[in-house]
Amino acid sequence: SYGLTQPPSVSVSPGQTARITCSGDAVSKKYVFWYQQKSGQVPVLVVYEDTKRPSGIPERFSGSSSGRTATLTISGAQVEDEADYYCYSTDSSVNPLFGGGTKVTVL
Amino acid sequence: QVHLQVSGPGLVKPPDTLSLSCDVSGDSITSGHYWDWVRQPPGGGLEWIGYVYHSGSAYYNPSLKGRVFMSVDTSNNQFSVKLFSVTAADTAVYYCARRFYPGSGTYYYDSWSQGILVTVSS
Repeated sequence: SYGLTQPPSVSVSPGQTARITCSGDAVSKKYVFWYQQKSGQVPVLVVYEDTKRPSGIPERFSGSSSGRTATLTISGAQVEDEADYYCYSTDSSVNPLFGGGTKVTVL
Repeated sequence: QVHLQVSGPGLVKPPDTLSLSCDVSGDSITSGHYWDWVRQPPGGGLEWIGYVYHSGSAYYNPSLKGRVFMSVDTSNNQFSVKLFSVTAADTAVYYCARRFYPGSGTYYYDSWSQGILVTVSS
């Protein structure tokens, strides 16, 4: 199966580290990308090709991938990081796969 | 910088057809990337609807069971989606997006339109 599985929610205190996992067969075969979506807004790319950070994205966002699991880490989470986070990859063709999304709460 | 602008009606009656268009500026629709439609039901996650290429070839999410059709208008640099026989389950925010090919590796979304809420209700 090429589905991507994420935990529904993650809670963290300000300044602590939040880790969001994304699991599936596609993770071991293709790059994983992470999108942040704040309420009512358009998704924003925060990590691409497993580990790279687009310009303008704070250094506290980082990505890693090993085997069937990719991880987005927010080191020193801030209140403004509260959002839904989606992992993305593709199947054996080029068809998109989205994880179900993880709601990150910082309080 | 690429800009995508989605347009269409915000209310569709069942079982009519939902039709949306996406105007692209800042890039040519023939540039070699994929042009996708993605939707998000209220309180839900992102769902891929399908993509169209500048040649006109398209591929759709099998879950939509033949209810979708996408087309491209290269002369006007826009692409469109039609979703047939809509029901309340098709109520969602709809996005058009560019799926960028970096030359190697994986296509990924690098540009999105603002979403348009389409409500299906009689």
